[in-house]
Amino acid sequence: DQQVKQNSPSLSVQEGRISILNCDYTNSMFDYFLWYKKYPAEGPTFLISISSIKDKNEDGRFTVFLNKSAKHLSLHIVPSQPGDSAVYFCAASDLSNFGNEKLTFGTGTRLTIIP
Amino acid sequence: NAGVTQTPKFRVLKTGQSMTLLCAQDMNHEYMYWYRQDPGMGLRLIHYSVGEGTTAKGEVPDGYNVSRLKKQNFLLGLESAAPSQTSVYFCASRPTGQGTYEQYFGPGTRLTVT
Repeated sequence: DQQVKQNSPSLSVQEGRISILNCDYTNSMFDYFLWYKKYPAEGPTFLISISSIKDKNEDGRFTVFLNKSAKHLSLHIVPSQPGDSAVYFCAASDLSNFGNEKLTFGTGTRLTIIP
Repeated sequence: NAGVTQTPKFRVLKTGQSMTLLCAQDMNHEYMYWYRQDPGMGLRLIHYSVGEGTTAKGEVPDGYNVSRLKKQNFLLGLESAAPSQTSVYFCASRPTGQGTYEQYFGPGTRLTVT
């Protein structure tokens, strides 16, 4: 049972435009969400996170939006740059499980920025 | 500061052979994790540790064992490798403390079992 879903395996966006990556979750206990970026032959690197007490978090070109009622979050990248081409993973955690917080990952979306 | 390192980077095993993957971190993190990544499956948690001398099962623990004898090291063992264990293995660590839930990942170990 996939508790975190990224339904778009791939996405292509023109350089300079906005990239929107989507993520849905089914576990209502999840209260902390993260986005990771992964280049080929490297480990994932942390990008941005959001707590369930917020509906938006911004860091430079990256903004994450959370819609708790819809159990949906999205990552916006604007403007998109060629270096943003990578696989993006959404992850979720249940922080009430204090001391045993684990991340549940989605299957990833491969973003390609077209110059 | 090397962060999280993994040894080896690549390995080919025959079915039934055993091996140990080493993860080391120099950030004094309490928590360490082992994941596997398979095509179309995302990252799945194998085992994790919340401190030296402790380990716990994750989502897909069967066929693997782990040990955390030193805070900075987390070992993943395959006692009798199977082709289903062909995967890319990632180790991660994170510190304790409120608001510090990001995990820091190593570069991965690509394992092929023939």
